[in-house]
Amino acid sequence: EVQLVESGGGLVQPGGSLRLSCVASGFTFSSYEMNWVRQAPGKGLDWLSYISSGGSSIDYADSVKGRFTISRDNAKNSLYLQVNSLRAEDTAVYYCARTLAVASLVGYYYGMDVWGQGTTVTVSS
Amino acid sequence: DIQMTQSPSSLSASVGDRVTITCRASQSISGFLNWYQQKPGKAPKLLIYGASSLQSGVPSRFSGSGSGTDFTLTISSLQPEDFATYYCQQSFTTPPITFGGGTKVEIK
Repeated sequence: EVQLVESGGGLVQPGGSLRLSCVASGFTFSSYEMNWVRQAPGKGLDWLSYISSGGSSIDYADSVKGRFTISRDNAKNSLYLQVNSLRAEDTAVYYCARTLAVASLVGYYYGMDVWGQGTTVTVSS
Repeated sequence: DIQMTQSPSSLSASVGDRVTITCRASQSISGFLNWYQQKPGKAPKLLIYGASSLQSGVPSRFSGSGSGTDFTLTISSLQPEDFATYYCQQSFTTPPITFGGGTKVEIK
């Protein structure tokens, strides 16, 4: 079964840090680009970061650039998100998601076809 | 950044109804538009990619259309398991990947 399982969330004080993990199984993790997406309570989806299959290409949303760091260890089938300098507005469920890339006549269509169950980060004093 | 605007933000419908949700991009995104379904407490599920291609395993009552700036998700005959929140997402210009604000489909 294709699966992503996140962990590492919890309650942290403002200014604190966490390392979120996402372990993949059931597919060749090293062949896929990956993303982190979050969802604040009662709000919509918010893309945070992207990493290429080999880890050489990385992107961030402006809202987390300089505070969050994405990485991966293909030997361990694992994706990570180091989250630093946490603020109350970072309180959310954090999801890892696999990139779907489908070739078409006009280029590649990209989506997110496999998601983890999410890990909850609560920033509060 | 490309802004994605969905309408309506919520709707009430009955089982068997035809439901249409609209997504508008702030600039042309060709056909680089995806739709997701999310049920309470669950992760999103990819329904449609490339504006109109059905993801594997998704029922055929779901369909997508549109190009440029205006897109539509249609559920031809609403089923009990379709009550959920639906999000559009553009992949034309990244970063950032951007989502619409969501449309909650509720039971009438």
